[in-house]
Amino acid sequence: QVQLVQSGAEVRKPGASVKISCKASGYSFSSYYIHWVRQAPGQGLQWMGIINTRGGATDYAQEFQGRILMTKDTSTNTVYLELSSLRSEDTAIYYCARIHSAGYFYHPWGQGSLVTVSS
Amino acid sequence: ELVMTQSPATLSVSPGEWATLSCRASQSITNKLAWYQQKPGQAPRLLIYGASARATALPPRFSASGSGTEFTLTISPLQSEDFAVYYCQQYHHWPPSFGQGTKLEI
Repeated sequence: QVQLVQSGAEVRKPGASVKISCKASGYSFSSYYIHWVRQAPGQGLQWMGIINTRGGATDYAQEFQGRILMTKDTSTNTVYLELSSLRSEDTAIYYCARIHSAGYFYHPWGQGSLVTVSS
Repeated sequence: ELVMTQSPATLSVSPGEWATLSCRASQSITNKLAWYQQKPGQAPRLLIYGASARATALPPRFSASGSGTEFTLTISPLQSEDFAVYYCQQYHHWPPSFGQGTKLEI
């Protein structure tokens, strides 16, 4: 079945970086863009950016410009999200999500990766 | 900037009754609206896309409608497993954006 499996929880100090993985299976990896969405504790969903899993082009939300990087590894059907200059406000669950064939909405989602930023 | 506004923030309903959740866009998004359900500790789950099309295997007690700027999600009759947070998401304008969510509680 179509599935996205993410890496585990991470703890970082302020100013550090974190890299999260999202491994896709059950479909043609290069045929569907993947987006990243995050959710701070008790809060709603925030779109972070998109990666074209064929060519690797990316587009990021303005809020993260300069400290976000999305990459892919076609040999392992995996996409990565790297966020640098972490601050406490970046504490959140980070989700990868595949776009649907009918438009830029999401199905399925990864299970989420908790990133805690604390000194 | 396009803003998605959901109302109410919290809705208290009894099992067996119905619930109507609203989502409003600050400008027209035609029918490019999706609804998601999120339970504690879980990722969001796609329910509805294209404003009214049910995702695969979604029970018929979930229905949705709307176009332009006003959208609704109706659940009737409510079952215990439906109590969760519901988000709308527009995908007509770039970037995609979400409403702040409606918590459906018993």
